Amino acid sequence: QSALTQPRSVSGSPGQSVTISCTGTSGDVGSYNYVSWYQHRPGKAPKLMIYDVIKRPSGVPDRFSGSKSGNTASLTISGLQAEDEADYYCCSYAGTYTFVVFGGGTKLTVL
Amino acid sequence: QVQLQESGPGLVKPSETLPLTCTVSGGSISPYYWTWIRQSAGGGLEWIGRIYASGNTNYNPSLKSRVTMSVDSSKNQFSLRLTSVTAADTAVYFCARIGRLDYDVPLFDYWGQGTLVTVSS
Repeated sequence: QSALTQPRSVSGSPGQSVTISCTGTSGDVGSYNYVSWYQHRPGKAPKLMIYDVIKRPSGVPDRFSGSKSGNTASLTISGLQAEDEADYYCCSYAGTYTFVVFGGGTKLTVL
Repeated sequence: QVQLQESGPGLVKPSETLPLTCTVSGGSISPYYWTWIRQSAGGGLEWIGRIYASGNTNYNPSLKSRVTMSVDSSKNQFSLRLTSVTAADTAVYFCARIGRLDYDVPLFDYWGQGTLVTVSS
């Protein structure tokens, strides 16, 4: 069982918006603004999409945005495109002892 | 463009040691931390540990007794050894770079494609 809780799956039609939640605790998501999100297509290397809760690496479309409230972080994808179909994982800093925790992953289906 | 490639046996017998190597191209091992992450059949990701270019290591407390990481800067490679494996260690193993240099926090900016390791007799 993963430390961070994500929905197993979400779906949306092209052009729509979807939001993926990532719920942790006061020991990880709630205490640190070091949440990141990764896109993983089968057989490919995972790709960093969001870091420090809200920041986008160079090259990531601004359709991808991150936010956080309390112990829950969220990834929102607006203007869904077929190429967005993938698994998405959240990750949070969890202090110097544990260092990092992950979510169980969310499968995004573009209908 | 930094690229990472995992290599190692696809099949390991129970109780034996799992050895994996990650080769880094397009960039230098220094001055970053490098990490191993695995994905079990259930889908979730699990952090195994990390190694600095100088050889300093930090391991997941739950795996610490069985994990050893090493780095060979001359070959731009770092390695993982996981001892006394069981079926529960069957997973896709990824290597990745921790891209932050200003704060000691997890930000995995480059990943390998992963390699499936099955533990079975």
